[in-house]
Amino acid sequence: AQTVTQSQPEMSVQEAETVTLSCTYDTSENNYYLFWYKQPPSRQMILVIRQEAYKQQNATENRFSVNFQKAAKSFSLKISDSQLGDTAMYFCAFMKLSGTSYGKLTFGQGTILTVHP
Amino acid sequence: GAVVSQHPSWVICKSGTSVKIECRSLDFQATTMFWYRQFPKQSLMLMATSNEGSKATYEQGVEKDKFLINHASLTLSTLTVTSAHPEDSSFYICSAPGTSAYEQYFGPGTRLTVT
Repeated sequence: AQTVTQSQPEMSVQEAETVTLSCTYDTSENNYYLFWYKQPPSRQMILVIRQEAYKQQNATENRFSVNFQKAAKSFSLKISDSQLGDTAMYFCAFMKLSGTSYGKLTFGQGTILTVHP
Repeated sequence: GAVVSQHPSWVICKSGTSVKIECRSLDFQATTMFWYRQFPKQSLMLMATSNEGSKATYEQGVEKDKFLINHASLTLSTLTVTSAHPEDSSFYICSAPGTSAYEQYFGPGTRLTVT
């Protein structure tokens, strides 16, 4: 079974600064996806960024980028130029690509990020 | 983009009664949908996989007779919490995959309060 660990229950950052959220995972699979989701106070899950395990290049989406270390099973999220609207709970998630688990997401515990003005 | 809706957004029911939550894919078809449960400020835990035309697949530890799932059509899955108790109070979220499984579209969630 896969596990996802987020060791930072809460983080805070000043507006316009950079913050990094940590995530580690454990799997014996070779083909999988990793995700970061944002859950604002509305509780709607929003995809922030996705990384395919077979791709060595780190994914980037505007102010969001990841540091994917496959051997270390680490998948951190860096938010640059933090904005007040980034305040939310962030979840790291794992998706296996084979077998009966296809499409299922395993989530980490979440990190509550607060951006201060 | 694809949209998934849930109804109701918030429901309050009395202990011992049953409550049904609907999950609809509005502009695409979904042969599979997933149901998650989330306690306040905690993670999402997968409860079951809803399969159109066949029985749902439940995760270990989830009571099948308590959480009844029916995938009635290619756009609708329902979760019925039977004989609800206060400990069933939670936030329930459904998701449906798009063309590729890595494209997961989440509903806005349903808050269930059992009194």
